[in-house]
Amino acid sequence: GQNIDQPTEMTATEGAIVQINCTYQTSGFNGLFWYQQHAGEAPTFLSYNVLDGLEEKGRFSSFLSRSKGYSYLLLKELQMKDSASYLCAVRDQGDYKLSFGAGTTVTVRA
Amino acid sequence: DTAVSQTPKYLVTQMGNDKSIKCEQNLGHDTMYWYKQDSKKFLKIMFSYNNKELIINETVPNRFSPKSPDKAHLNLHINSLELGDSAVYFCASSQDFGQGDSPLHFGNGTRLTVT
Repeated sequence: GQNIDQPTEMTATEGAIVQINCTYQTSGFNGLFWYQQHAGEAPTFLSYNVLDGLEEKGRFSSFLSRSKGYSYLLLKELQMKDSASYLCAVRDQGDYKLSFGAGTTVTVRA
Repeated sequence: DTAVSQTPKYLVTQMGNDKSIKCEQNLGHDTMYWYKQDSKKFLKIMFSYNNKELIINETVPNRFSPKSPDKAHLNLHINSLELGDSAVYFCASSQDFGQGDSPLHFGNGTRLTVT
């Protein structure tokens, strides 16, 4: 199984940058996902990392270090609509199960 | 629209009742899942089916019984509902179970309230 830790809450100003960290422990690693979930809605897929390094997708980037069991999601040029919960999820190599962290609620202030 | 759709969106019922939640995906995916999200927003996997075959069955009370009549449908039946079953239940699908980069696509959730 996995232990996945991420901060509970973060607040940032519109136009700023926020970095959400995720640390994990797993018996076998087969990829890490970031999802965005607005209040009362379904989680939606943001990014996937399986190799070390940075994956960039527009204003959002995700980084992975497998040796450190660490990932971060970087949100740039924050907009009000980015206020949401961001979920880190790790796929297990053995049973391919995708396990989620508790999520980080990001609040963007004007 | 291509999507994962689940019904009902809201379900309010009394303790002891039996209820079902239905899920359908038209994405052509092979694998479907049920996740439970509790009041602390923690998403926890309950079941997974790959081509109608049960492949993940977490420690879930046997009052919960999934059924997959075909690979596009995965329904969840809950017997003898308890107060602790109140949560949001999400159905999801993915292209391939074993493929690492296959993301989950979630339905809009069913908010179950047991009184």
